[in-house]
Amino acid sequence: QQQVKQSPQSLIVQKGGISIINCAYENTAFDYFPWYQQFPGKGPALLIAIRPDVSEKKEGRFTISFNKSAKQFSLHIMDSQPGDSATYFCAARSNGGFKTIFGAGTRLFVKA
Amino acid sequence: GAVVSQHPSRVICKSGTSVKIECRSLDFQATTMFWYRQFPKKSLMLMATSNEGSKATYEQGVEKDKFLINHASLTLSTLTVTSAHPEDSSFYICSAPGDSGKLFFGSGTQLSVL
Repeated sequence: QQQVKQSPQSLIVQKGGISIINCAYENTAFDYFPWYQQFPGKGPALLIAIRPDVSEKKEGRFTISFNKSAKQFSLHIMDSQPGDSATYFCAARSNGGFKTIFGAGTRLFVKA
Repeated sequence: GAVVSQHPSRVICKSGTSVKIECRSLDFQATTMFWYRQFPKKSLMLMATSNEGSKATYEQGVEKDKFLINHASLTLSTLTVTSAHPEDSSFYICSAPGDSGKLFFGSGTQLSVL
């Protein structure tokens, strides 16, 4: 099921810094790429998502950059805050359906 | 946004017993729901797709007789872990698609089998 590769596995960033998480996929049928945030003991929550016809999408401090030719996409968290410390998952789904495949996850820790 | 309620949040059971986990879409209808399993510090692994009024679709390697799924109404899907054993201990999460193509997740159920 590992069709979405995510890196790094863990990330430590200073408060106010930029957190960058990268993902790559192989299946060209994927047509929707969401990012989820998960706190310990909780279910994932949708942060932001993008479709492959767009190269960038920004919502507040969160930006997705998408490179269709390279089959890569990344999440940038600007002005990272300690409250952003969580596990982040990139994901992908295809053909207009809702079956979602998750990356391995990145544990982000933002130092105060 | 849409709310998916999952119950219970935590359950401890003895080996050999069966455990039922409920997933409800509170303010929308869901003909399809998804069940995931997550081990500590690991990713979410899709177990099965729950289809209202028909049989669930299981992912490769998931035992149908071990993980029984029932989607009897447009707002409720249940996952029953039958004859649970310690290796079934895990975090189980359900999800349902809401408006605008978004997938909403329940808060998860931590199952511990002694």
